[in-house]
Amino acid sequence: GESVGLHLPTLSVQEGDNSIINCAYSNSASDYFIWYKQESGKGPQFIIDIRSNMDKRQGQRVTVLLNKTVKHLSLQIAATQPGDSAVYFCAENGSSNTGKLIFGQGTTLQVKP
Amino acid sequence: GAGVSQSPRYKVAKRGQDVALRCDPISGHVSLFWYQQALGQGPEFLTYFQNEAQLDKSGLPSDRFFAERPEGSVSTLKIQRTQQEDSAVYLCASSLVGLAGFGEQYFGPGTRLTVT
Repeated sequence: GESVGLHLPTLSVQEGDNSIINCAYSNSASDYFIWYKQESGKGPQFIIDIRSNMDKRQGQRVTVLLNKTVKHLSLQIAATQPGDSAVYFCAENGSSNTGKLIFGQGTTLQVKP
Repeated sequence: GAGVSQSPRYKVAKRGQDVALRCDPISGHVSLFWYQQALGQGPEFLTYFQNEAQLDKSGLPSDRFFAERPEGSVSTLKIQRTQQEDSAVYLCASSLVGLAGFGEQYFGPGTRLTVT
């Protein structure tokens, strides 16, 4: 069935270091991928998205890489800050045209001061 | 500007009670989604509206779950005869684009439902 999964449940990094959060997806029909950040007690917050016709997209301090050959997505956060501590989810649109998202289970990012 | 709002933020219901959860999407947003998020898990899709039309309800876990968006803006998710397994955070998201579009989904803060 359709699924999106993350390789590591928890990632701990030192403040100032770069973080890399990985994600594997299984639905080859997915053509839109998004990373969300979720802080405790809040809804998911959009970070960055990428369409399948791209393999890299950069935002402010964040970069998303897409490898369609191995169905792998990663989020890179440069110069990680304490405010980046949260749960990060990757999501894909699957084969639906409604825009509904399929989320992975999430990776907890802990930033040590 | 106003984002997506949900009410109540917290709801405690006794098993067997009916509950109604409200979502106010961003004004003018065409698409509205409901997701269910169990503790420690990612959100799972429940249902989708484009304006007032419910185009996908494939994620609703049982016929106890019902959603509506009668005027294409505010939406209500109703759960009848609540069960303990219904305990979760219910998230609402809205998007400016409609079918087959790629658009950012803006999430509300969620309603945490606890069934005792």
